[in-house]
Amino acid sequence: GNSVTQMEGPVTLSEEAFLTINCTYTATGYPSLFWYVQYPGEGLQLLLKATKADDKGSNKGFEATYRKETTSFHLEKGSVQVSDSAVYFCALSETGANSKLTFGKGITLSVRP
Amino acid sequence: GAVVSQHPSWVICKSGTSVKIECRSLDFQATTMFWYRQFPKQSLMLMATSNEGSKATYEQGVEKDKFLINHASLTLSTLTVTSAHPEDSSFYICSAVNFGPGYNEQFFGPGTRLTVL
Repeated sequence: GNSVTQMEGPVTLSEEAFLTINCTYTATGYPSLFWYVQYPGEGLQLLLKATKADDKGSNKGFEATYRKETTSFHLEKGSVQVSDSAVYFCALSETGANSKLTFGKGITLSVRP
Repeated sequence: GAVVSQHPSWVICKSGTSVKIECRSLDFQATTMFWYRQFPKQSLMLMATSNEGSKATYEQGVEKDKFLINHASLTLSTLTVTSAHPEDSSFYICSAVNFGPGYNEQFFGPGTRLTVL
């Protein structure tokens, strides 16, 4: 079956530090890959996505590249802000409409001033 | 972006009672909604897929008689936890799929915290 593995957390960084959150996956076929973010007290929001190999998703300064050869979708940001403090989930879905998502465990990011 | 609401945002109930949680897509129609359960410091686990006008599809290990799902309209799905027990205490999250030509995205509700005493 499908699975998503995220690096263990939590992660604490100083403002303007570089961020990498690792994510690897196991899936049959060619899944779409996602990063979701959950701010305190809010629901999950789609941060970025990539639907095929070598695609790069980007949003709000975050980037992730779909690497089929390493089955990875690592999240990066060059300079984090305090407002980036949240829980980040990597997820995948099989291709097609209405496909259910398989999530990683999530990782808590805390950015200190 | 599309908005999904859940009601209530939190509920406390006595063991043995039933609790209904609503999930609404506020500005789009969703033929498919999903229900997830999230334990502290753990991932979201898919419980079931709710399809408008038909029976829900439950994931392996989820008791369909325990977690009743009704998707009576294109904007509303309900999850009823029947005869709730303390082990059912959890954070329940729904999502609704907004799809059409060239787009397909799940939008998540803010979640419902259930505490069973």
